[in-house]
Amino acid sequence: NAGVTQTPKFRILKIGQSMTLQCAQDMNHNYMYWYRQDPGMGLKLIYYSVGAGITDKGEVPNGYNVSRSTTEDFPLRLELAAPSQTSVYFCASSYSERLGAFFGQGTRLTVV
Amino acid sequence: RKEVEQDPGPFNVPEGATVAFNCTYSNSASQSFFWYRQDCRKEPKLLMSVYSSGNEDGRFTAQLNRASQYISLLIRDSKLSDSATYLCVVNIGTGNQFYFGTGTSLTVIP
Repeated sequence: NAGVTQTPKFRILKIGQSMTLQCAQDMNHNYMYWYRQDPGMGLKLIYYSVGAGITDKGEVPNGYNVSRSTTEDFPLRLELAAPSQTSVYFCASSYSERLGAFFGQGTRLTVV
Repeated sequence: RKEVEQDPGPFNVPEGATVAFNCTYSNSASQSFFWYRQDCRKEPKLLMSVYSSGNEDGRFTAQLNRASQYISLLIRDSKLSDSATYLCVVNIGTGNQFYFGTGTSLTVIP
């Protein structure tokens, strides 16, 4: 079982560059999430989706965009990367609020 | 105000000790509760759900107090492999959003 797959695992961006973090799940979960985790901090919700075609902002959406054209995929787009976006990004999916969320292995992004 | 608050620790305990972590949540409409474990530089992994009646999974016991809005995790007979950060997680329900505490660091010492 692949579960939640994120690519790339590591990336270094220059200030002002753009990139897309890929996330795919093969569990047929309707709910998907993007979180960022800064050192010593908890996970902050960036965006989430309750199903294909539906997305909504979380706690820290500024500087990011998402799309959800299929149930399986939930890419996160960074436009005009800034040093403040240096973080570890986790994608997660969930079948139900009662069953918790399952995470990908994360993408470590450094903006220099 | 943070949705979920935890004591960050660190907790340093000898092997075989019993250790307890608590967390509080602010939204009384919260519907589901969990403990996750996160190893260094890894993704969070679901440890256990927390039910109103309390639940146990081997050496781990989770409790929920809705009136006081706190959740606890008890680890008995600590093993070296229990060393990790433990995250308290609450699901508000609306949009099925999961809110994470900052985590409590545990180191089990030989």
